[in-house]
Parts: sequence; C-alpha cells; structure tokens
Amino acid sequence: GAVVSQHPSWVICKSGTSVKIECRSLDFQATTMFWYRQFPKQSLMLMATSNEGSKATYEQGVEKDKFLINHASLTLSTLTVTSAHPEDSSFYICSATGGKDYEQYFGPGTRLTVT
Amino acid sequence: GESVGLHLPTLSVQEGDNSIINCAYSNSASDYFIWYKQESGKGPQFIIDIRSNMDKRQGQRVTVLLNKTVKHLSLQIAATQPGDSAVYFCAEDPPGGGNKLTFGTGTQLKVEL
Repeated sequence: GAVVSQHPSWVICKSGTSVKIECRSLDFQATTMFWYRQFPKQSLMLMATSNEGSKATYEQGVEKDKFLINHASLTLSTLTVTSAHPEDSSFYICSATGGKDYEQYFGPGTRLTVT
Repeated sequence: GESVGLHLPTLSVQEGDNSIINCAYSNSASDYFIWYKQESGKGPQFIIDIRSNMDKRQGQRVTVLLNKTVKHLSLQIAATQPGDSAVYFCAEDPPGGGNKLTFGTGTQLKVEL
C-alpha cells in the first residue's frame, strides 16, 4: 500500500525560532499533499493544499507567511512554522494523493512543542 | 455520536460486543465518505469508505451505513476487540473540493475487558 512518512516525529523548539517538517510519499508520486493541524482531543483541521510545482492554497484563517509550504517534488512537501509561538504547539499531519486511486494516505504526524 | 465543541464523545463497549459510531455530515452534495481510525499519537488510518450511490458497504468486521436523507453516517464494528480502542473520525469529500476532506469531531471508542 501507499506509504507516507513524516520527519521528525516530534520536535521541541524555542519560541521565536522556525521549524521545518517534511512529508514524503515513499512508493508513489503525490500530485497533491495536504497539511492538517490537530489540537488535543480535537479533529483534524485542514491548513493548506499543496500541489507539486505550484503555490499552496491556504484555508481561511491560516497565515501563509507563518506556515510556509513547499512542494518541490512529487514525493516531498515541507511545512515550515516560522517564528513559532507556544500556541503553535500541535500535532501536524500530512496526507498525499496521487496513487492508483485518489484516496488520501496519511503520514504518522509530527508533534511540535514550542517552549 | 459526534458533537460540536472541544469535548470528545466517548463510547464504551465490552469486548466482544458490537459498536456503533455515528456521524452527521454537513454537505448534502458530498458524494464520498470515509471512516478513519486514529490511535493516540498516530496519523489517521483508513477503515472503510462509501460513495453516495450506496447506502451500505461491508468490510472485514466493519460496516458503514449512509442515510442521505438525514445526512447521517454510521460505522458498525462487529465483535469489538481491545485493539479497536481509538478515536474514530468520519470525513466527507464535497464535490468540486479538489479532494479536500472535512473531518467530523471524532468519537473515542473504549473497549472494556
């Protein structure tokens, strides 16, 4: 089956610094990748949609200058949280489509803690 | 069932019993629905899906029912096992949304021995 990985699985950073999260499709080419954020005991909230070679489309209320998304290849998308603050602490999950069907395959998530 | 807000609904069942998890979706034009299982600290895992031209679909130990009249989706798990303990989310794929999924609020399933 289609496998999506994320790196790192968890990260702790200081307030004001930036952190990059990678999302990779390991055995298929992902034409579209999605980035979600999930706070404890809440649902997944879509942040942005990323298509290879083009600018990401952000959901309403998500700051594009704070959450930089790059989808430079068909197997890699990155999310950079710039000038992180404690309220950015969350579980960030990516998903990818583009395999034989259009099912979304989810990564294992990245736990970000900003101190 | 699922509800709006920060409180995660919980369903507790005895091992071996059947579980029924409910979901109300929002867009009457949605034509594709998926149930996901999420274990603590992990990403969502696909369980089963259903298209709007169907009202029932069965998998291994799981059945999804779709009632378009009342915009209701349910997931039935037969002979619930401890390994089924997780949070379950329904998701809908509205038409023209470019595969963007809208997730429900989730239900915590706890299986008691």
